[in-house]
Amino acid sequence: NAGVMQNPRHLVRRRGQEARLRCSPMKGHSHVYWYRQLPEEGLKFMVYLQKENIIDESGMPKERFSAEFPKEGPSILRIQQVVRGDSAAYFCASSPRTGRNEQFFGPGTRLTVL
Amino acid sequence: GQQLNQSPQSMFIQEGEDVSMNCTSSSIFNTWLWYKQEPGEGPVLLIALYKAGELTSNGRLTAQFGITRKDSFLNISASIPSDVGIYFCAGPYTGTASKLTFGTGTRLQVTL
Repeated sequence: NAGVMQNPRHLVRRRGQEARLRCSPMKGHSHVYWYRQLPEEGLKFMVYLQKENIIDESGMPKERFSAEFPKEGPSILRIQQVVRGDSAAYFCASSPRTGRNEQFFGPGTRLTVL
Repeated sequence: GQQLNQSPQSMFIQEGEDVSMNCTSSSIFNTWLWYKQEPGEGPVLLIALYKAGELTSNGRLTAQFGITRKDSFLNISASIPSDVGIYFCAGPYTGTASKLTFGTGTRLQVTL
């Protein structure tokens, strides 16, 4: 059973460009979470999605960031007009259902903004 | 908001030694999760705890859910070089099975 897949693993963008990060949850999991990790820090929650629905986006910056989890295909975290401060590791996690809080993480996408 | 503080911040130990680390919260948690993260990788779930006082093992790892529900402990027995990494505690915000709060992490280094 494949784990959570994320791509790309590394992404380099220049200031002002767009970054698209993809996440395919574990088979049978319908809940997806995105977290951001700055160097030497813990993970910070960004957004929680179920298929076609955003459940909780309280950790998302108000501007330039968006997330979706369409009926078909991976979840996408989109960052428009990237700035240097967006450089971080972005992790996706999935879980099979609510009620149990275990989340399984992907390998992450390391975003570098030049 | 909820905060999780881990101690120690880092540990340098010799192979074969036992390791203890803890995680404390300013508020009550109903679930404690322990993750390990290696450089360049995502966190890997080690142990999940769901009841106050619960003691759960996974190989050489043992974790406990504190009675006050505001703390948790992780022990590693007979450490080996592959135990190197950062250990994070995490728990869900009270009343919701969604976003996790992560601790500050304990960095473990094992010397031969």
